Amino acid sequence: GAVVSQHPSRVICKSGTSVKIECRSLDFQATTMFWYRQFPKKSLMLMATSNEGSKATYEQGVEKDKFLINHASLTLSTLTVTSAHPEDSSFYICSARGRAYNSPLHFGNGTRLTVT
Amino acid sequence: AQSVTQLDSQVPVFEEAPVELRCNYSSSVSVYLFWYVQYPNQGLQLLLKYLSGSTLVKGINGFEAEFNKSQTSFHLRKPSVHISDTAEYFCAVSDTGGFKTIFGAGTRLFVKA
Repeated sequence: GAVVSQHPSRVICKSGTSVKIECRSLDFQATTMFWYRQFPKKSLMLMATSNEGSKATYEQGVEKDKFLINHASLTLSTLTVTSAHPEDSSFYICSARGRAYNSPLHFGNGTRLTVT
Repeated sequence: AQSVTQLDSQVPVFEEAPVELRCNYSSSVSVYLFWYVQYPNQGLQLLLKYLSGSTLVKGINGFEAEFNKSQTSFHLRKPSVHISDTAEYFCAVSDTGGFKTIFGAGTRLFVKA
């Protein structure tokens, strides 16, 4: 089946630094990638949708200058958490969809971000 | 816009017993429906999906779900659960354009020996 690789799986950083999370589709072309944030024992909150070669579309309430998303190729999207603060600590998950309009989402294994 | 309601936040069940995880959705347009499973500290894995056709959908690990348009439901069932089925289960809906997927709050299935 389709594989999405997300890296790193865990990262600890100091407050004020920036962290980059990568999401790669390994065996298919992901025209659309999604970034989610998951709080403990909560559902996935969609942060933004990125389409290859265009600017990401952010959900209401998500700071686009803080969560920078780049989707430079059909197999790679990155999320950069800029000037991280402890409240940014969370589980971030990416997903990717292929070209077909009824393609299901394929998820990465998530990144546990801890900001100290 | 679509929304998804998972009626049970937690479902405890004994091993080898049947289980049903409930999901209701609302939408003004035709939808696709999905169930995903999440194990601790991992991403989500697709269990099954309904796109069109037969309303009874069979997925991996012995799970199945039935789409009921009149009741706007997509309940997930398994006739006999295993300890290894303990996980978080998410129901999700997207419009048929497939642009955005909305997730329910999740149901924690806890299988006891």
